[in-house]
Amino acid sequence: SQQGEEDPQALSIQEGENATMNCSYKTSINNLQWYRQNSGRGLVHLILIRSNEREKHSGRLRVTLDTSKKSSSLLITASRAADTASYFCAPAYSSASKIIFGSGTRLSIRP
Amino acid sequence: DTEVTQTPKHLVMGMTNKKSLKCEQHMGHRAMYWYKQKAKKPPELMFVYSYEKLSINESVPSRFSPECPNSSLLNLHLHALQPEDSALYLCASSPETGYSNQPQHFGDGTRLSIL
Repeated sequence: SQQGEEDPQALSIQEGENATMNCSYKTSINNLQWYRQNSGRGLVHLILIRSNEREKHSGRLRVTLDTSKKSSSLLITASRAADTASYFCAPAYSSASKIIFGSGTRLSIRP
Repeated sequence: DTEVTQTPKHLVMGMTNKKSLKCEQHMGHRAMYWYKQKAKKPPELMFVYSYEKLSINESVPSRFSPECPNSSLLNLHLHALQPEDSALYLCASSPETGYSNQPQHFGDGTRLSIL
């Protein structure tokens, strides 16, 4: 399977702390995307980072990509209760015309 | 509010029923997708339509039949489903072909239960 693996599977932190999620993938990619899914809702696109980029920011989100290690990380700074959700990475493999979602990280923010 | 609208939000059907899921987007996107998502699992791609033509079928059983009547609408016809088909069915769209290079916009899904 080409599904990316994410760790941790679940993460619980205090509001205001930073949250880091990691994604590892199998083969070369064109880009890697991160999505958020709130309970009972659809997925929301967060960030797309291309294979020739190493870091990208969007508000409180910071994504890094290390193609030599085939890994990416998503950092959420100054977490809020509204950040409670599942987060999925989605590598776009060069050999496939689709994205494949990783296993996901369930993030809980404690008040 | 999402820009991709799915109806119904919930659907309960028996194994002999025929029903349809509907998806609509008015963003002018030319690629549309169906995904299946089981509880605590990632979405799994089922079908991709590009310019109203089926371009990817991920070996989905024939009891699921997709249809794209026009560039804004996507249907998923269901017939003789099995209990293991109970899941959240998500529709998504993206601006153009080259599906892997663009963000996808998702609806909130249809929660399907098979009795």
